[in-house]
Amino acid sequence: GAVVSQHPSRVICKSGTSVKIECRSLDFQATTMFWYRQFPKQSLMLMATSNEGSKATYEQGVEKDKFLINHASLTLSTLTVTSAHPEDSSFYICSARERESEQFFGPGTRLTVL
Amino acid sequence: GQNIDQPTEMTATEGAIVQINCTYQTSGFNGLFWYQQHAGEAPTFLSYNVLDGLEEKGRFSSFLSRSKGYSYLLLKELQMKDSASYLCAGLDSNYQLIWGAGTKLIIKP
Repeated sequence: GAVVSQHPSRVICKSGTSVKIECRSLDFQATTMFWYRQFPKQSLMLMATSNEGSKATYEQGVEKDKFLINHASLTLSTLTVTSAHPEDSSFYICSARERESEQFFGPGTRLTVL
Repeated sequence: GQNIDQPTEMTATEGAIVQINCTYQTSGFNGLFWYQQHAGEAPTFLSYNVLDGLEEKGRFSSFLSRSKGYSYLLLKELQMKDSASYLCAGLDSNYQLIWGAGTKLIIKP
């Protein structure tokens, strides 16, 4: 199947700093990428949907100024958590799909904000 | 509204069979997915059903009834490594995944 990578896999940062997470589709062109957040023992929560070359569509309750999403190319999307706080600590997972086909998930990024 | 329901937790014995049920309500329907997720890891794809019936893939099978808005995942010959959360997700008319909360499956020796 198709491969989606995420970098970094784990990051620890100080409160107030910004963190950028990259999501790459390695062997296909991802027309749409999704960013999810997952709290312990809970299901995936969709944060935003991004289509290449256009602004991301954020789900209700997700602060677009705090979680900046850029989908500049068909193989790369980035999520930047700005001015991170301890409550932003979570598991962030991206997924990608080519047109209306199956979604492929990245391995996730564990963010810990001290 | 859109909704996916599945049991929170199930327990089964190694070597046995377990069925995890899922009922769904989505705006339009473009298929039903099952994913496996081990703690601390991203979900991995198990199955996709868009037509009624049973799809068998090794020890795992998935069933769909569109008229009933119902699916199940059947796991046979359970192994300890099958202990994980199993997520049911429906694909709506916009090709967005609507996620269930997941079923935590505990396998006992």
